[in-house]
Amino acid sequence: KNEVEQSPQNLTAQEGEFITINCSYSVGISALHWLQQHPGGGIVSLFMLSSGKKKHGRLIATINIQEKHSSLHITASHPRDSAVYICAVSVGVRGAQKLVFGQGTRLTINP
Amino acid sequence: DSGVTQTPKHLITATGQRVTLRCSPRSGDLSVYWYQQSLDQGLQFLIQYYNGEERAKGNILERFSAQQFPDLHSELNLSSLELGDSALYFCASSVAKGAAGNTIYFGEGSWLTVV
Repeated sequence: KNEVEQSPQNLTAQEGEFITINCSYSVGISALHWLQQHPGGGIVSLFMLSSGKKKHGRLIATINIQEKHSSLHITASHPRDSAVYICAVSVGVRGAQKLVFGQGTRLTINP
Repeated sequence: DSGVTQTPKHLITATGQRVTLRCSPRSGDLSVYWYQQSLDQGLQFLIQYYNGEERAKGNILERFSAQQFPDLHSELNLSSLELGDSALYFCASSVAKGAAGNTIYFGEGSWLTVV
């Protein structure tokens, strides 16, 4: 079993729909990152969370440390949101931490 | 633009050869991370340097090595290349020592194809 599991693996929705991508992890972490990877390959960091909730534009990320679970929400989805969304957790000791990645969720928003 | 620069963007080489991938971190960032993304393994952490010193090691093969220079740029050396080394190699940087509590900025990646 992977240390970081994302669901769903693939998601297709219509423009305007509310999107939720889930991430569960099985290890102790110091932070959780949500990343976005576009078809060209580049990766953009969307959020870094250690507790609670963060919002940036139409994107909202939440984390529940006790349940070891995080969600990424997209409101009023748009075709330009089509990308692979990757959850990654920081593990290790202070000053020597690494990211462990989920397998990614491929999101397609149709117009 | 993340501010992290990777070269080359694309590279095709033969099995058994050696290549060097280069990364310039964002201005002011002291940590450099290397990741490998392959179709079958997904994204994997290879190695991290902080201010010239190795800080964390992941699933990096013995045929691979890296270093961070005094000007903070980093190089990932891949030798005795095999077909399975074909992947997208990402460099990333952050201000502080660890991946926790700090936004990580990724480069565009270097596509390596081994034929």
